[in-house]
Amino acid sequence: DGGITQSPKYLFRKEGQNVTLSCEQNLNHDAMYWYRQDPGQGLRLIYYSQIVNDFQKGDIAEGYSVSREKKESFPLTVTSAQKNPTAFYLCASSMGDNHYNEQFFGPGTRLTVL
Amino acid sequence: GNSVTQMEGPVTLSEEAFLTINCTYTATGYPSLFWYVQYPGEGLQLLLKATKADDKGSNKGFEATYRKETTSFHLEKGSVQVSDSAVYFCAPQGSYNKLIFGAGTRLAVHP
Repeated sequence: DGGITQSPKYLFRKEGQNVTLSCEQNLNHDAMYWYRQDPGQGLRLIYYSQIVNDFQKGDIAEGYSVSREKKESFPLTVTSAQKNPTAFYLCASSMGDNHYNEQFFGPGTRLTVL
Repeated sequence: GNSVTQMEGPVTLSEEAFLTINCTYTATGYPSLFWYVQYPGEGLQLLLKATKADDKGSNKGFEATYRKETTSFHLEKGSVQVSDSAVYFCAPQGSYNKLIFGAGTRLAVHP
């Protein structure tokens, strides 16, 4: 089955610790994205990558970092600099930067910082 | 800048009622338009899309028409089911595949 996997589904961390969220896709998509969703709100773009070894900041990149060393993988690190990291994090991928292409979403990781 | 306005929820309907969720947007150029659905605790799933003016997207009984003159993409379904209860997001997509999300509209369907 092709799709996007995110792990873990639930993650708990102490304040001040960095944490890395995993995102893997086997859809052979070039582009990948990270979003943050807060209760009762829409999604906000954190980072996106259109090709391996390249990525751009989204609307709320402060306190986050990413890497794109492989086409299939786009891990997100939530650093201690992120002031309010508790949220639902969603990863997505798409075939490329043509705006006709829909994004496919993973199941999400719910991060709680204690 | 680019933005989306959706009708505020929750929308509460009885089973078999008619559904309309309004969506208007502002975006540069001619974006593709998408409706995504999110079930509790899950990621988003594509419901339908339209890529040019007057296109109608449809799926699972849901429909939406790309209205360029009114910059709208209203979602409709003739007869809702309890299983349609979810949060619905209207999202235009422009350059660099950047989706623009509103707050979403929560739909609750009761038997």
